[in-house]
Amino acid sequence: AQTVTQSQPEMSVQEAETVTLSCTYDTSESDYYLFWYKQPPSRQMILVIRQEAYKQQNATENRFSVNFQKAAKSFSLKISDSQLGDAAMYFCAYRWNYGGSQGNLIFGKGTKLSVKP
Amino acid sequence: EAQVTQNPRYLITVTGKKLTVTCSQNMNHEYMSWYRQDPGLGLRQIYYSMNVEVTDKGDVPEGYKVSRKEKRNFPLILESPSPNQTSLYFCASSLIGSYNSPLHFGNGTRLTVT
Repeated sequence: AQTVTQSQPEMSVQEAETVTLSCTYDTSESDYYLFWYKQPPSRQMILVIRQEAYKQQNATENRFSVNFQKAAKSFSLKISDSQLGDAAMYFCAYRWNYGGSQGNLIFGKGTKLSVKP
Repeated sequence: EAQVTQNPRYLITVTGKKLTVTCSQNMNHEYMSWYRQDPGLGLRQIYYSMNVEVTDKGDVPEGYKVSRKEKRNFPLILESPSPNQTSLYFCASSLIGSYNSPLHFGNGTRLTVT
């Protein structure tokens, strides 16, 4: 069974600094997608960044980037120049790809990020 | 505006009183899903649907029902709610055939069962 593990229940970062959130996953599939979702106190689920497993290049979206290590099954999120608005719960998620369709989205348990001014 | 609409946002009910949480999307998505979110457990899938009249159980389906009579709607039904179903619920949808289609989430329904 596919699983997603976030080993850091809580993290803290100083404003303007960089923080890395960890995520590992377990799968026997070779084609899949990985995502990071942000959930601020408004509880809305916001897609931060996505990575396709067949792409070796790490995805980047402005201040957010990932370190995708396929062999190690690791998918960490780096937030640069942290801002107060980055404070939220972050969820790592995995979705299997089969024949152009997608399987169900499997989530980790989340990492709560605090940003100190 | 493309969106997933859930109603209500907050719901307080008593044990055993049947309730329905509605979910509607206007993006013509084939795939729809319900999740519940509990502290320390992340989001767990309740039911999902790959298309009209096609539904299947997720990881925690006990005590819930769903239906998919129309493509846009995917209501979650609790026939006899119990306190352990107190949770934050999310509906989500996506395309299936589109490569790398992300899930679009509703704004959540906070359910309290007393």
